[in-house]
This record gives sequence, C-alpha cells and structure tokens, in this order.
Amino acid sequence: DQQVKQNSPSLSVQEGRISILNCDYTNSMFDYFLWYKKYPAEGPTFLISISSIKDKNEDGRFTVFLNKSAKHLSLHIVPSQPGDSAVYFCAASGGAGGTSYGKLTFGQGTILTVHP
Amino acid sequence: DTAVSQTPKYLVTQMGNDKSIKCEQNLGHDTMYWYKQDSKKFLKIMFSYNNKELIINETVPNRFSPKSPDKAHLNLHINSLELGDSAVYFCASSPWDRENQPQHFGDGTRLSIL
Repeated sequence: DQQVKQNSPSLSVQEGRISILNCDYTNSMFDYFLWYKKYPAEGPTFLISISSIKDKNEDGRFTVFLNKSAKHLSLHIVPSQPGDSAVYFCAASGGAGGTSYGKLTFGQGTILTVHP
Repeated sequence: DTAVSQTPKYLVTQMGNDKSIKCEQNLGHDTMYWYKQDSKKFLKIMFSYNNKELIINETVPNRFSPKSPDKAHLNLHINSLELGDSAVYFCASSPWDRENQPQHFGDGTRLSIL
C-alpha cells in the first residue's frame, strides 16, 4: 500500500525554466512533508519541508506547496540549473509521539534532468 | 567531518553468511534509523532507536537485528543472508523533540548477495 506516490518517474527541463515535481499522499494523518534530493552513490539530502499548518514554504529557488484537501504537494525549482539534476524524493511523517514518531514514508522518486 | 557515516560502503557476500553494517553520527542527535532501498528504489524504514531504545520495528525478518551501543551509533547485523537482502541500506539520524525535524542520511551501504 503506497501511501506516498510520485507518479512521474522522470522530468526533463531546460536550464533557467521552472521544474515542478509532484507528490500525492493518501494518509490523512500525515502532518509533515519533506523533499529530499539524491545524487548517485550518495544518501538523500534534505532540501525543504512543510508542516500541515502551512500551504507554502520557500527557501531560495525552492518552494513547496501543500494542498491538504487534495492531499497533494509540489516542489517548484526556479530557475532550474544543471546541478539540480538528481532524483527527488517526497516524504511524509505522521508527527511527534507514539511508535510512529519520526517514521518517514517515501515516494518512489522522480529523476529530474536539467539540460544546459 | 562527515555527519552520518556508514561502513562499509560496498558489501559483497555469499548467501547464508552473517554480516554487519555500522553507522555513526556526530550531529548530537538522539534518534537513529535504518532504511532499506530495494530494487524498485523505494526507501522503507526498518528500525529506529532513540537514545539506545528501540522505537520503530517495522515488519522485518528477525534475521535483522539492530544494536545501539550508544546514541551516536546504530549497527545492523544480518544473519543467514538471502538473495532478497540485496539492496542499499541507509542510516539516518534526527533530533528527538516535539518539533518536526528532517532526518540526515548517510551515503548508504550497497549489499550484494551472490
């Protein structure tokens, strides 16, 4: 049962344009969402997160949008750069407390390629 | 000054063997995790420890046994390795408090069973 889904396995974008990566979730108990970036042979690196009390969080070129009613979040990268080429994972957590504390549920990732 | 380090980076071994993977973090975090990334690229949590106490134990075969000698270390021992154990294993750590905090990952251990 995939509770976090990234339906686009790959995305190709021209340098300087916007990259939009999407993620859907099914578990309404999730209240914290994260995006990780992963290069080959390295571990996932934290990029940006958003709490369910917000609908937008921005950090430099990266903005995450959360639509709770649609159970959908997206990551916008503007402008895209060749160095952004990596696998992007969406992850969700059910919040603090209990035996599920800290448990991240990941999507299967989207490969982003930014062409010069 | 690596934050979360795993050893070894690569591990190739025969079916039926017993092996261990080590993880250390120097971030001062209280909580550590093991994740498995399978051939379909899904990252799935296996275990988490908070200050040496087991918090999360997902449906993992009991051939897998985590051990935390102190809050900066979380090792994973695997008995009687099977072909299906071939995967990348990631260690992660995070602070333990009531605010949501991101987890920091090591670079993974690539386990191949022959």
